[in-house]
Amino acid sequence: ILNVEQSPQSLHVQEGDSTNFTCSFPSSNFYALHWYRWETAKSPEALFVMTLNGDEKKKGRISATLNTKEGYSYLYIKGSQPEDSATYLCASANYGQNFVFGPGTRLSVLP
Amino acid sequence: GAGVSQSPSNKVTEKGKDVELRCDPISGHTALYWYRQSLGQGLEFLIYFQGNSAPDKSGLPSDRFSAERTGGSVSTLTIQRTQQEDSAVYLCASSLSRGMSYGYTFGSGTRLTVV
Repeated sequence: ILNVEQSPQSLHVQEGDSTNFTCSFPSSNFYALHWYRWETAKSPEALFVMTLNGDEKKKGRISATLNTKEGYSYLYIKGSQPEDSATYLCASANYGQNFVFGPGTRLSVLP
Repeated sequence: GAGVSQSPSNKVTEKGKDVELRCDPISGHTALYWYRQSLGQGLEFLIYFQGNSAPDKSGLPSDRFSAERTGGSVSTLTIQRTQQEDSAVYLCASSLSRGMSYGYTFGSGTRLTVV
């Protein structure tokens, strides 16, 4: 079974700060990686689906990169806003297997 | 429907009772997943349905847990003789396929509390 790790576990930043966090996964037999944002009392929302080494995806102020050779993905948030406060989940899958979720990074953006 | 619908949103039950949790996926999504998140833990895979294939039950924690998906659409997760450690948020997700290229659409979850 895959072991997907995320760091840090939690993060507090001031409004306007840029921040980033990490998802680590086994690099062998990698197939795809997902990032989700999970706000309190809501459903997890898909942010990015990434499959290729070197992928870089962007959605507004949020972007993500993927390194499948070394087994990590970074999520960046530029100019954090209070509405960015959420738990950010990554999930990784090997060929023919189900996605395994990491424990998440809980982000709090202080106004 | 427009999204994945789960019911009930909250359920408090006495230890030893059976509970049923329902998931209504997005129409046309062939893949359906159940996950749960216990306090302080990550999302734990429970079971996966893909079309008419036999479900992948490898994540079910004990034989008290079962799930079915009728007509390739609505799914019910049943927990028999609930225990306090079953308390968690149970999330259902659906996807156009196995989700490799599309990501999952999650429901809002059922918060189960066993007292």
